Order: sequence, then structure tokens, then C-alpha cells
Amino acid sequence: GQQVMQIPQYQHVQEGEDFTTYCNSSTTLSNIQWYKQRPGGHPVFLIQLVKSGEVKKQKRLTFQFGEAKKNSSLHITATQTTDVGTYFCAGINTGNQFYFGTGTSLTVIP
Amino acid sequence: EPEVTQTPSHQVTQMGQEVILRCVPISNHLYFYWYRQILGQKVEFLVSFYNNEISEKSEIFDDQFSVERPDGSNFTLKIRSTKLEDSAMYFCASSPRARGLNTEAFFGQGTRLTVV
Repeated sequence: GQQVMQIPQYQHVQEGEDFTTYCNSSTTLSNIQWYKQRPGGHPVFLIQLVKSGEVKKQKRLTFQFGEAKKNSSLHITATQTTDVGTYFCAGINTGNQFYFGTGTSLTVIP
Repeated sequence: EPEVTQTPSHQVTQMGQEVILRCVPISNHLYFYWYRQILGQKVEFLVSFYNNEISEKSEIFDDQFSVERPDGSNFTLKIRSTKLEDSAMYFCASSPRARGLNTEAFFGQGTRLTVV
């Protein structure tokens, strides 16, 4: 069945370092969304990518959708303690079914 | 800012009992969802609901589960006979349009269900 995997599962970084999480789908996606979940909180939408090879930026966050529309990445430049949380990708396949990735939990050490 | 509200925030129930989790989606939204998240794990899709019927459901959403929109504002998830493994955080979400049409889902704060 459909699988959306993310790596790494956990990442500890020193404040100011960069961070990247990678999302890989077993099937081609029609689009992909990214969510952030703070500890004890609920997922909050960050962005959606639709086009092959698309790159979008939100301040220190850069999101990329792969050319084959099977993978995506989220890169955070110069992490801050406010970036702490779990980042989930969520893939929507061509059958319009929606799957969250396994998540990457980010810890930022001040 | 409009938000999805869920009640209760915490529910403890005995195994075998029925529970109803309640959600009030954002008022002009048309698509409604239930997800669950077992502690420390990923968010799992349960069911989506549009135009007063289920549009998609996952393999987790078996005959023990049902959803209803009884009065045009509430959206409920019922678990008929709870099992220990149903213990999880249950999130309700709503969106103004279908997933594939460039839209985000707005999540509620969740209901933590503990089955003892």
C-alpha cells in the first residue's frame, strides 16, 4: 500500500545550525503538504507544493518537490528554539488519498 | 480567527464502552476529517466526510467506527466498543475544498482518548 516515509526520524541540532528532513513516497503524488506539530499540539499547515521541481520559501524554511513528484524536502536555515517540533509531510496521491509521513522530530539545543 | 474545536479534550473510558468524540469544524468548510495519533507516532488518516457521506476511509476505520454530522455544525466520531489499542489522540480537521485542490486542512486541538 501507499507509504510516505521521512528521514531522519529524530534530529538534534545546535541552535543556528541548519536542518533538513526528507520525505519519500512509494508512489507518485499529485501534491504534497507540510505540517508542523509542536510538542503536545496539533498539526499546523505550513505549505503545499503542486508542481514537479517546485521550490517555495517561507523565511528560513525552504520546501522542495522532486522532479518525479515522489519526494520532497524541508530545509530550515539557522535553526531557532522556536523551530522545535515534529515536521510531517503529507502526500496526496493521484487517487486523491491523503497520507501523512512518519514525521521528523526536531530538537534545537540552545 | 476561526478554528476547529473538539470536545472533550480528554476522555477516559473502560474497554468495551462506546465513546463519542465531538468536533465543530470551521463554519464555511465543506470537507471534514478524523485522524488519530498514537503517542509518539505519526498522524494516521481515519475518514473523510463530504456532502453528508463518507468520501474515503482507511483500513483502520472498521465497523467499530462511525461518523455523523447530526445538525449541520457538529461532526462526531463514534467508537462502538473501545479496545485498549484505540487509546490515542484523535484530531478532527476541516477544509474548504477537497484535498487535491490546493487547500490546507485546519486541525482541532485533539481529544486524548484513554481506554482502560
